[in-house]
Amino acid sequence: DTAVSQTPKYLVTQMGNDKSIKCEQNLGHDTMYWYKQDSKKFLKIMFSYNNKELIINETVPNRFSPKSPDKAHLNLHINSLELGDSAVYFCASSQNGGNQPQHFGDGTRLSIL
Amino acid sequence: GNSVTQMEGPVTLSEEAFLTINCTYTATGYPSLFWYVQYPGEGLQLLLKATKADDKGSNKGFEATYRKETTSFHLEKGSVQVSDSAVYFCALTTTNDYKLSFGAGTTVTVRA
Repeated sequence: DTAVSQTPKYLVTQMGNDKSIKCEQNLGHDTMYWYKQDSKKFLKIMFSYNNKELIINETVPNRFSPKSPDKAHLNLHINSLELGDSAVYFCASSQNGGNQPQHFGDGTRLSIL
Repeated sequence: GNSVTQMEGPVTLSEEAFLTINCTYTATGYPSLFWYVQYPGEGLQLLLKATKADDKGSNKGFEATYRKETTSFHLEKGSVQVSDSAVYFCALTTTNDYKLSFGAGTTVTVRA
């Protein structure tokens, strides 16, 4: 009965590779997000989607490409991985965007060798 | 734009001590305010929320009151336990914002 699930939980890969992280929510929410948490625990929005449409792209390099096939899924594909991409990536969802609490997945810990 | 300033840590306490984590904000529009908690190795969990001035959010013995006059949302707990050791994040969002703006997080360690 997991609300927001993302896979994989850990991702270890080499510089230059391409990887994807998947996210699914079963809460019936219409808005989904990707956040990046750096090594100092700071959290920053990357993307937000409302009803499968991109609402926010917060100055993220175009190596990062989100895709929302339906309202329940928001995947993140990363091309040409760099050392600086090492972080924890969190997927989240909420109902109706602003002023609503967001529900987070457990995170994907990405390590670039 | 929206921003959150949160008390810097780390904070180390003994069990049964009183905990306060200060949080102040600036926002365009009328914000909803949240505290999230991240236990070691886990994701973020919503701890409590308040959506209008003078609302008090509470959960698991934690409380925070939305103070519009001081633009603050300080987190308090009267008697902490070892299991409260975690990173605490203050956050806000506004109507049509489509994102949470987070404070820097405060690491709290409670010793037995």
